[in-house]
Amino acid sequence: KNQVEQSPQSLIILEGKNCTLQCNYTVSPFSNLRWYKQDTGRGPVSLTIMTFSENTKSNGRYTATLDADTKQSSLHITASQLSDSASYICVVSDDYKLSFGAGTTVTVRA
Amino acid sequence: GAVVSQHPSRVICKSGTSVKIECRSLDFQATTMFWYRQFPKQSLMLMATSNEGSKATYEQGVEKDKFLINHASLTLSTLTVTSAHPEDSSFYICSAGRTVGFAYEQYFGPGTRLTVT
Repeated sequence: KNQVEQSPQSLIILEGKNCTLQCNYTVSPFSNLRWYKQDTGRGPVSLTIMTFSENTKSNGRYTATLDADTKQSSLHITASQLSDSASYICVVSDDYKLSFGAGTTVTVRA
Repeated sequence: GAVVSQHPSRVICKSGTSVKIECRSLDFQATTMFWYRQFPKQSLMLMATSNEGSKATYEQGVEKDKFLINHASLTLSTLTVTSAHPEDSSFYICSAGRTVGFAYEQYFGPGTRLTVT
C-alpha cells in the first residue's frame, strides 16, 4: 500500500527562524514528489515538484530535497514569515494517482 | 496559467437537500478532473476521478449514487451531493489534470466548504 508519512505533525516557530519538515514515502512506482502549501480554508498550492533524478529544488524561501534511495524528502523554510503559517503537504505520484501525506501545520509567531 | 476555479466557495444547505459544486479549468483543457474531500485537520481524500464524456471512477467506500459527478466538457466537472446529511459537511476540493512535459500535473481549485444543517 502506498503511504506518505510526514513529521512533525505540527510546529511553532518564531518569525525569521528556519524550519525543516520531513516526508517519508513507500509509493511505488515513483514518478515525482511535490510539496504543497495549503492555507486554512483554501486549496493546495504547489511549491515544488521533483522527479527521481532531482535532489533539490528551490522556490524562493522554500527548498525541497529528495533522496530517492532512502525515499525521504524534506522541505526547508528559510527566514520564516507570518504568511508561512499554513499546512504543508507532501504528495507522491506514481505517474497518475497521488498519495497524500497528512501534512505538517506550521505556525509562525511574531 | 493553469487556474482552476470552484463555485460556490461556501454553501449551507438543509439536511435532505441536494447541492451542486462546479469545478472549472479556466485556461486549459482537462481530460481528467479529480474530486477530493478534506475533513478538519486531515489530508485530502480522493473521492472520484472524472473523465470527460465517460462515467466517473469512484474510490472504495464512496457512494456513487450519493455523490453524482458529471464531466460534460473539457473545462467543467460538477459534483452533486444528493440528500445531504450533516456528516457530509466537509471541504470539497477539485483538481484538473494535464500533462506538462514528462509529468502529469494536477492543479487544485480553492475548495468549497459545505455545511449541512
